[in-house]
Amino acid sequence: GIQVEQSPPDLILQEGANSTLRCNFSDSVNNLQWFHQNPWGQLINLFYIPSGTKQNGRLSATTVATERYSLLYISSSQTTDSGVYFCAVSYTGTASKLTFGTGTRLQVTL
Amino acid sequence: EAQVTQNPRYLITVTGKKLTVTCSQNMNHEYMSWYRQDPGLGLRQIYYSMNVEVTDKGDVPEGYKVSRKEKRNFPLILESPSPNQTSLYFCASSKTGARQPQHFGDGTRLSIL
Repeated sequence: GIQVEQSPPDLILQEGANSTLRCNFSDSVNNLQWFHQNPWGQLINLFYIPSGTKQNGRLSATTVATERYSLLYISSSQTTDSGVYFCAVSYTGTASKLTFGTGTRLQVTL
Repeated sequence: EAQVTQNPRYLITVTGKKLTVTCSQNMNHEYMSWYRQDPGLGLRQIYYSMNVEVTDKGDVPEGYKVSRKEKRNFPLILESPSPNQTSLYFCASSKTGARQPQHFGDGTRLSIL
């Protein structure tokens, strides 16, 4: 099956710093989504980005489907950005299955 | 407010005692799915449903059952729970399938003793 790898697995930042999270996938995909799991366990959909670049405030994401990766940028990080970031893909040829990466755990300190 | 509602949020129970986790969405979505989240493994799909009366296995279906009698509801049933089913469970829905933006419930933390 499709493999989804995220890096780094853990990241500690000081407030105000920028960071880049990476998601690599092993097969052609027709969908990529980024999620943030907050410290209370809730999963929030950040981006639906099968290709191209999108921005939402301090966060932006870029997916290069032909090279099988996506990047999530966090600028001027805040303590509320702490949590786990997941990417998830569905591969070309299926509409039913979403495969998640194992996540990047981000801690933003004062 | 558009939402996916799971109940209960927390449950501690014992091995072998049948339990049901309910999931309901108010967005008229056709696609619904269940995931379990375990440390170091991310989220893994248990079952999914493309529409009413249409369900299929995900990656880790063993020990679970589902039904989809109505569009809005997709309960997860553990007929004989075991300790290895202790996990954080999420229900999700989308308009038509996995390619669409997914909306998640707040999660159900199950502990099977």
